[in-house]
Amino acid sequence: GPKVLQIPSHQIIDMGQMVTLNCDPVSNHLYFYWYKQILGQQMEFLVNFYNGKVMEKSKLFKDQFSVERPDGSYFTLKIQPTALEDSAVYFCASSLGQGASGNTLYFGEGSRLIVV
Amino acid sequence: QQKVQQSPESLSVPEGGMASLNCTSSDRNFQYFWWYRQHSGEGPKALMSIFSDGDKKEGRFTAHLNKASLHVSLHIRDSQPSDSALYFCAASEHRGSALGRLHFGAGTQLIVIP
Repeated sequence: GPKVLQIPSHQIIDMGQMVTLNCDPVSNHLYFYWYKQILGQQMEFLVNFYNGKVMEKSKLFKDQFSVERPDGSYFTLKIQPTALEDSAVYFCASSLGQGASGNTLYFGEGSRLIVV
Repeated sequence: QQKVQQSPESLSVPEGGMASLNCTSSDRNFQYFWWYRQHSGEGPKALMSIFSDGDKKEGRFTAHLNKASLHVSLHIRDSQPSDSALYFCAASEHRGSALGRLHFGAGTQLIVIP
């Protein structure tokens, strides 16, 4: 099936430092998402992104978070500065069309972030 | 308040048995429902989608949707040890030009006992 690749798979970082999580979405997909999962529990929506812009974000998407996808490169989630509560697994997802129109989201394997 | 509730939290069934997972939504705007499966250490993978009332069958998996009661279920017959995973119900709403986020339930941990 369609593959979403995430780099790195794991990262340990000191509190206050910056971290960038990278996502290579499915090649022909147009809509991109980040979700946060703590301790194998509920998936929490962070942000969705289309046509170079953030379309929707949740309360979990703090001011310290930013996303971008420069042409032809990764879709990235940057956290600057990091806080202890940012420790989680971050999942990138992509879809061909709008999730609101019933298009399936395809998820990567996740980036496990540990802030110490 | 969570918009998607799942039950039970965990479920153990013997190999070859039937597993039944339930999901209820509190938001009547939800039009589209998915079941995702997540094995330990991996990302969630879409198992089935269901958008219309009634049953949808794919191999050993059957999803049922009742939009009037906002209830979705997933039934796995002839359960296999490889079915052991965390199962998420997810829903999205059709909101005009909005992209629509996917709302996940808290998950049901299924354990299939050999």
